[in-house]
Amino acid sequence: GNSVTQMEGPVTLSEEAFLTINCTYTATGYPSLFWYVQYPGEGLQLLLKATKADDKGSNKGFEATYRKETTSFHLEKGSVQVSDSAVYFCALSDLGNQFYFGTGTSLTVIP
Amino acid sequence: GAVVSQHPSRVICKSGTSVKIECRSLDFQATTMFWYRQFPKKSLMLMATSNEGSKATYEQGVEKDKFLINHASLTLSTLTVTSAHPEDSSFYICSARKTSGTYNEQFFGPGTRLTVL
Repeated sequence: GNSVTQMEGPVTLSEEAFLTINCTYTATGYPSLFWYVQYPGEGLQLLLKATKADDKGSNKGFEATYRKETTSFHLEKGSVQVSDSAVYFCALSDLGNQFYFGTGTSLTVIP
Repeated sequence: GAVVSQHPSRVICKSGTSVKIECRSLDFQATTMFWYRQFPKKSLMLMATSNEGSKATYEQGVEKDKFLINHASLTLSTLTVTSAHPEDSSFYICSARKTSGTYNEQFFGPGTRLTVL
């Protein structure tokens, strides 16, 4: 079956630190992979996506590369800001377009 | 663009009453919408898939008589929590599927915070 595993938080970083949030997946077929961000009290916003192997999704300084050989889609940012504090969800979408979410990783960036 | 709205954004109700939550795709037609529930500090749990003009498909363990879903038009799906109880308090998020060429993408609403007293 399909599933997503992401590193548990919470993660606390100082401003300008490097961020990595690990995400691995299990899927039949060739899923699309996503990172969503949820700010306090709000819904999910698409951060970036990749639809096939070796694709790199990027947005707002965040990047993630679809690695089929390691079934991973790790989220990275070179220099985090306080405004990046949020919960990050890794997700996959199968051919039926059903979404499978990871458990979310809470990130707090301190000045 | 592809915007999905939810109304209300938050609602407080008494135990035993029913609450209706609306999910609208504002600038595209969505034959399929999805309803999720999010528990505090937990991931999203898919509750049901709502198809325009037909009955919703519920995930295992979700009571269809308690969580009534109606997808009456290509831009509107509603979730009604019937005879709500405190354990139904949660954050409910909908998403709508937009087909662009051969690719389907889901767009999420901002969520509705339900508190049952």
